[in-house]
Amino acid sequence: QQKVQQSPESLSVPEGGMASLNCTSSDRNFQYFWWYRQHSGEGPKALMSIFSDGDKKEGRFTAHLNKASLHVSLHIRDSQPSDSALYFCAASEHAGSFNKLTFGAGTRLAVCP
Amino acid sequence: ETAVFQTPNYHVTQVGNEVSFNCKQTLGHDTMYWYKQDSKKLLKIMFSYNNKQLIVNETVPRRFSPQSSDKAHLNLRIKSVEPEDSAVYLCASSPTGWDTQYFGPGTRLLVL
Repeated sequence: QQKVQQSPESLSVPEGGMASLNCTSSDRNFQYFWWYRQHSGEGPKALMSIFSDGDKKEGRFTAHLNKASLHVSLHIRDSQPSDSALYFCAASEHAGSFNKLTFGAGTRLAVCP
Repeated sequence: ETAVFQTPNYHVTQVGNEVSFNCKQTLGHDTMYWYKQDSKKLLKIMFSYNNKQLIVNETVPRRFSPQSSDKAHLNLRIKSVEPEDSAVYLCASSPTGWDTQYFGPGTRLLVL
């Protein structure tokens, strides 16, 4: 079983709509989370990190972390066709000074014009 | 804007051959990584180097060997490739071992 699980596997939203992606860790050691986005033919690109309980907002993107339930979500408001991509949640435990990321299987988002 | 460069973009080879992939980052980062992304898009770390020193070596077959000449370069050699090695190999870097990672565009390997 994967230690980082994402849902849904795929999601379709209309342009201008809100997209909500979920991520849950089954490993209590994972306390630090990142969201990455990968467009077809490119490498993943970091969107944001979240390490504390609550919300973190960056532009149209808002991440929410609940450490008690090890659940993190990403909400994209005013979705654009350019947001269509594969979204990864990645988690890490702070092991010394090295950040070893464990990635989820991804959520494929399609934003329809 | 690409700051992590990988060559080649795509490589086709036959079972048993040796291949090498190159990665260079111009971000001045201390830490570099190799990941494997399989056909289902699952991403898994293979190796990590910090200032030319290997600090993470996940359970990968011994035919895989990373090589670092300086902290800006991290290459990957695969001796005697197998069909299951077909994947996209992604290089990444981060300022330190504890920072957001920046990925290159990947090298797609197809083993016939």
